[in-house]
Amino acid sequence: GAVVSQHPSWVICKSGTSVKIECRSLDFQATTMFWYRQFPKQSLMLMATSNEGSKATYEQGVEKDKFLINHASLTLSTLTVTSAHPEDSSFYICSARGQTRDTQYFGPGTRLTVL
Amino acid sequence: TQLLEQSPQFLSIQEGENLTVYCNSSSVFSSLQWYRQEPGEGPVLLVTVVTGGEVKKLKRLTFQFGDARKDSSLHITAAQPGDTGLYLCAGARSNTGKLIFGQGTTLQVKP
Repeated sequence: GAVVSQHPSWVICKSGTSVKIECRSLDFQATTMFWYRQFPKQSLMLMATSNEGSKATYEQGVEKDKFLINHASLTLSTLTVTSAHPEDSSFYICSARGQTRDTQYFGPGTRLTVL
Repeated sequence: TQLLEQSPQFLSIQEGENLTVYCNSSSVFSSLQWYRQEPGEGPVLLVTVVTGGEVKKLKRLTFQFGDARKDSSLHITAAQPGDTGLYLCAGARSNTGKLIFGQGTTLQVKP
């Protein structure tokens, strides 16, 4: 149980285009999901908290208009990188909160490369 | 400001050796979690420690939560090449549910 999927697993896009990444909790409902960004050989950096049915809460320094988050159902959150640029290239990982408040189950990540 | 200091950040050892990874903070956490991550994949939860002084064992891995719930350690006995990976500690804040991650420890176990 507690499986989280992400789609796509990798994407290459041209500079200026927008990319949508999906995060799904497959066998449980998640009212809260989190989006992280990870650079090579570094730890995870929390970008935002996604709450079902309400606006996402962004961490300091993360541009809301750049990284659009939608959590329309209890099993799906999406992250859209708008007008992507090469500096947005990174590994994006989502997680879903489990029944225990502190527990998060992570997706396999999405590798974004912006040319 | 890094709220959770993890050390060492890099560790290269021979198969059969023992090692310890530390996570330290001046803040109290409601729980602390340890993850292992392979390249190109998401973190996989190894253990969650909740009670101060708690010790949990997972085969050759021993996890300890400090009495004051501010620090934790991961000890691996007789490391194997399959233990190679990025180990992450993460402290949970009870009021937000957010996880604060340490910098990570890249472990390489040579055969």
